[in-house]
Amino acid sequence: EPEVTQTPSHQVTQMGQEVILRCVPISNHLYFYWYRQILGQKVEFLVSFYNNEISEKSEIFDDQFSVERPDGSNFTLKIRSTKLEDSAMYFCASSERTVSYEQYFGPGTRLTVT
Amino acid sequence: QKEVEQNSGPLSVPEGAIASLNCTYSDRGSQSFFWYRQYSGKSPELIMSIYSNGDKEDGRFTAQLNKASQYVSLLIRDSQPSDSATYLCAVLVLSNTGNQFYFGTGTSLTVIP
Repeated sequence: EPEVTQTPSHQVTQMGQEVILRCVPISNHLYFYWYRQILGQKVEFLVSFYNNEISEKSEIFDDQFSVERPDGSNFTLKIRSTKLEDSAMYFCASSERTVSYEQYFGPGTRLTVT
Repeated sequence: QKEVEQNSGPLSVPEGAIASLNCTYSDRGSQSFFWYRQYSGKSPELIMSIYSNGDKEDGRFTAQLNKASQYVSLLIRDSQPSDSATYLCAVLVLSNTGNQFYFGTGTSLTVIP
């Protein structure tokens, strides 16, 4: 069964460093998303991406964040200068263009900023 | 402000009972509604989606949607200990530029053997 994959599973970085989180969405899906979940809190939408551009982004997705689809399979989230409060689980998801836009999540990357 | 509200629980039910999970949302323009299950330390796993008023059944799960009341629920019949998890309600809002999903904080369910 097709699934969304994410690498790495755990990333530890120092404050101020840049990190890139990688995702491979399900191959026939057209919409891609990034979410974060701070420990014990709800899943928060960061950004949606369609047709090689950002279609929606939340207030959380400020100038330190960027997304890219560098090739036909990968979808990346870059955090330019990490802060302690960026420590969270980051989930990638993808969906087809159907009536309901059902999303499927990857296993997540746990980002720890020290 | 687009809100998705869930009772955080914990909700405890005995094995074999029906678990009832509820969710309300604020945006009348919401298009589709989803229930996800999330085990501790894992990613959300899609259980069901629903976008029309009424009931939708899939195995032991039934989703119910009432757009007039801005209410969506999930019933789990014959609850099993393996159903113990946090259940997330999510709402899709479509706009001219794209789509955005909003999640509730989740309801923690414990099924007691």
